[in-house]
Amino acid sequence: DAGVIQSPRHEVTEMGQEVTLRCKPISGHDYLFWYRQTMMRGLELLIYFNNNVPIDDSGMPEDRFSAKMPNASFSTLKIQPSEPRDSAVYFCASSFYTSSYNEQFFGPGTRLTVL
Amino acid sequence: QKEVEQNSGPLSVPEGAIASLNCTYSDRGSQSFFWYRQYSGKSPELIMSIYSNGDKEDGRFTAQLNKASQYVSLLIRDSQPSDSATYLCAVNTPPWNAGNMLTFGGGTRLMVKP
Repeated sequence: DAGVIQSPRHEVTEMGQEVTLRCKPISGHDYLFWYRQTMMRGLELLIYFNNNVPIDDSGMPEDRFSAKMPNASFSTLKIQPSEPRDSAVYFCASSFYTSSYNEQFFGPGTRLTVL
Repeated sequence: QKEVEQNSGPLSVPEGAIASLNCTYSDRGSQSFFWYRQYSGKSPELIMSIYSNGDKEDGRFTAQLNKASQYVSLLIRDSQPSDSATYLCAVNTPPWNAGNMLTFGGGTRLMVKP
């Protein structure tokens, strides 16, 4: 089975531009998570979805960030306008949740550089 | 206080030795515990999950959980240079009725020297 798929793998953009990151979760998984990783702050949860519905977006740093999940096989994380401090690696992860099993599997990540 | 704490390392061990990685967590309600391995420039890879007190073994890896002490550890036997990576501890956190949010520790960097 294919794992979590993310695109693009690398993105270099200039401050003020819109950036869209994409994620395809593992088929059959009902949870999708967006994380951001930096050296200073480690791995931080931004937002997560259950059955395509956003459950908790308290980790989204500010209104410039938005995320959608229009269907079970696709999600986007958008930054508009982008700023240099948004430079980080953005990971998408998915899981199939039961009360006794809730392992999350990560995609390869998108390395974002905002100049 | 951070919810999940790990020593950042680096932890340096000789090849063939046992590497012991430790993690403490703050929420007594946590029920799910995970160890992820992350190579430089790569994504976190799940290597162990543990849900009950005690030990769980998988090949050269053993996860140990002590809920009373709020402590989870990972032992790597016969360490190899290929085990050199950052190891992230993850613990499920509230709200409990909203699925499986995980909080990650900052990671311990392990270096296995030939």
